[in-house]
Amino acid sequence: EVQLVESGGGLVQPGRSLRLSCTASGFTFGDYAMSWVRQAPGKGLEWVGFIRSKAYGGTTEYAASVKGRFTISRDDSKSIAYLQMNSLKTEDTAVYYCTREGITDDYWGQGTLVTVSS
Amino acid sequence: SYELTQPSSVSVSPGQTARITCSGDVLAKKYARWFQQKPGQAPVLVIYKDSERPSGIPERFSGSSSGTTVTLTISGAQVEDEADYYCYSAADTKMVFGGGTKLTVL
Repeated sequence: EVQLVESGGGLVQPGRSLRLSCTASGFTFGDYAMSWVRQAPGKGLEWVGFIRSKAYGGTTEYAASVKGRFTISRDDSKSIAYLQMNSLKTEDTAVYYCTREGITDDYWGQGTLVTVSS
Repeated sequence: SYELTQPSSVSVSPGQTARITCSGDVLAKKYARWFQQKPGQAPVLVIYKDSERPSGIPERFSGSSSGTTVTLTISGAQVEDEADYYCYSAADTKMVFGGGTKLTVL
């Protein structure tokens, strides 16, 4: 059974950093790109970015709203994807989901809440 | 443009057909996915590749595409289909979600 479990969320002050983790199980992690999606309270879904598998270079893409502040990385030996968030802003407050997109399916974690507030 | 536009809300009575549209230039060249999200839950994929249904998704969910618009159709909508629905597609090397549509079934 495919499982994605996010962790690392919490309350952080504006301008500070936070790192989220997404621990995967139930599939060959290294074969898949991994994405991060967020949802501000009461708002819609917003794509944050993704990291390709090593077979496709392990490169990353980001939404304009986070480019230069957020970094996605992966450790295939541990089946973990990371979202390093720097220079956090109040508008980054959201539930952050990691996702695995397959050709015919899609898996999401339960999400982790990040609150940016002084 | 890299935007996907959805109506903010759609309302139907149980048993009626609900149609939710999603429009954007990228849809002329890229496939769309549809996600259903109920309160407090993670989104669930209900349609991929414009019109394909993942295993486990009821047959009343279907998708279609025409030009720059894709449509999610729920035939014989049920009360349990009440949720937010989001379209999703690729835009160059980025991905984009529509703004979401709140489907009310009552």
